[in-house]
Amino acid sequence: QVRLVQSGAEVQKPGASVKVSCKASGDTFSDYYIHWVRQAPGQGLEWMGRINANSGGTNYGLKFHGRVTLTLDTSISTAYMDLSGLKSDDTAVYYCARAKVYQSYGQFDYWGQGTLVTVSS
Amino acid sequence: DIQLTQSPSSLSASVGDRVTITCRARQSINSYLNWYQQKPGQVPKLLIYGASSLQSGVPSRFSGSGSGTDFTLTINSLQPEDFATYYCQQTYSLMSSFGQGTKVEI
Repeated sequence: QVRLVQSGAEVQKPGASVKVSCKASGDTFSDYYIHWVRQAPGQGLEWMGRINANSGGTNYGLKFHGRVTLTLDTSISTAYMDLSGLKSDDTAVYYCARAKVYQSYGQFDYWGQGTLVTVSS
Repeated sequence: DIQLTQSPSSLSASVGDRVTITCRARQSINSYLNWYQQKPGQVPKLLIYGASSLQSGVPSRFSGSGSGTDFTLTINSLQPEDFATYYCQQTYSLMSSFGQGTKVEI
């Protein structure tokens, strides 16, 4: 079955960087975009960016442009989200989700389990 | 970014009620509008894609409608397991975005 498995919780200091991984299985990795979405405590969903798992092409949300970098290791069907210059309001659960490249409406049909990133001095 | 505005932000309903949530986009997004359900402590779940297509495995009491800028999620005969927060999402733009969410409470 399709699974997206994310790396474990992280605690980082302000100004540091964090790298979260998302390992896909159960389907053809290169057929999909991997998107990243975050959710601060008690808040809504916030789209961060996406990477084409075939071409490696990326798109980033305006709020995160310059601070987030999305990469791939296609040999192990894994996507990575690197967020730099961490601030306390980056404390959130970070999700990866997939959307088929050629799917009609780009919907996110499978999500990772989420990774809690806590930024605290 | 294309801004999505959901209304209401929260609502109270009873089991068996018909519930309607609206989502308005600042510009036309054709039918590139999806709906998700999220329960506390859980991962969002896709309900509706392309404004009106029901995701496999989702109960038929959920339905979506609309195109352009105005969209609706309807839950017919609300069930106890439907109490959750619902989000709309646009995927028309290269930069996707979500509405702020609608919490459906008892």
